[in-house]
Amino acid sequence: RKEVEQDPGPFNVPEGATVAFNCTYSNSASQSFFWYRQDCRKEPKLLMSVYSSGNEDGRFTAQLNRASQYISLLIRDSKLSDSATYLCVVTSNTGGFKTIFGAGTRLFVKA
Amino acid sequence: GAVVSQHPSWVICKSGTSVKIECRSLDFQATTMFWYRQFPKQSLMLMATSNEGSKATYEQGVEKDKFLINHASLTLSTLTVTSAHPEDSSFYICSARDMGDRGMEQFFGPGTRLTVL
Repeated sequence: RKEVEQDPGPFNVPEGATVAFNCTYSNSASQSFFWYRQDCRKEPKLLMSVYSSGNEDGRFTAQLNRASQYISLLIRDSKLSDSATYLCVVTSNTGGFKTIFGAGTRLFVKA
Repeated sequence: GAVVSQHPSWVICKSGTSVKIECRSLDFQATTMFWYRQFPKQSLMLMATSNEGSKATYEQGVEKDKFLINHASLTLSTLTVTSAHPEDSSFYICSARDMGDRGMEQFFGPGTRLTVL
């Protein structure tokens, strides 16, 4: 089982749609959680951190469920510019700082 | 936000040559930098953790004699791919953590695309 698992997609949605991505992680000692966005042939860029209390930034909402070891990202009112790969990232600091990337979920937003 | 630069952004070399990639934190100090490799349509895979003033920690399956890492200062880490072969062609990305209070966020360089002929 992978340490961080994501649905690879692709998700093909029309502009204005709401789309949700899910991610599960296996290490219960994980401490920090993030969603990164990666455009083709570019480096990952931080989209938002994920907290148990939820985190909302404009059209983006991230949620963490520690009991289920599950992370989600919701994108409302999708824009063409949202087309990218979304990476679920989990870090821990037990026995040394360690970051695990999910394989990413590909999103295509079409006009 | 914090800025991390990489140089070169792309390189094409002949098989058997060595290639050095630089990673710099421009506006913060980084005791720890990370080197990742990403093959097409795959996720980032951590190759090694670079620690300023000490030896790098390599992930399982990564040859330390082939991928030489030097972290000589708080703002610079270098990765040298020695005797590169076509299978080493990949997207190499470095990241750094700020020594200051920025939590566990990593800041990524723009990546170096290596093509070995």
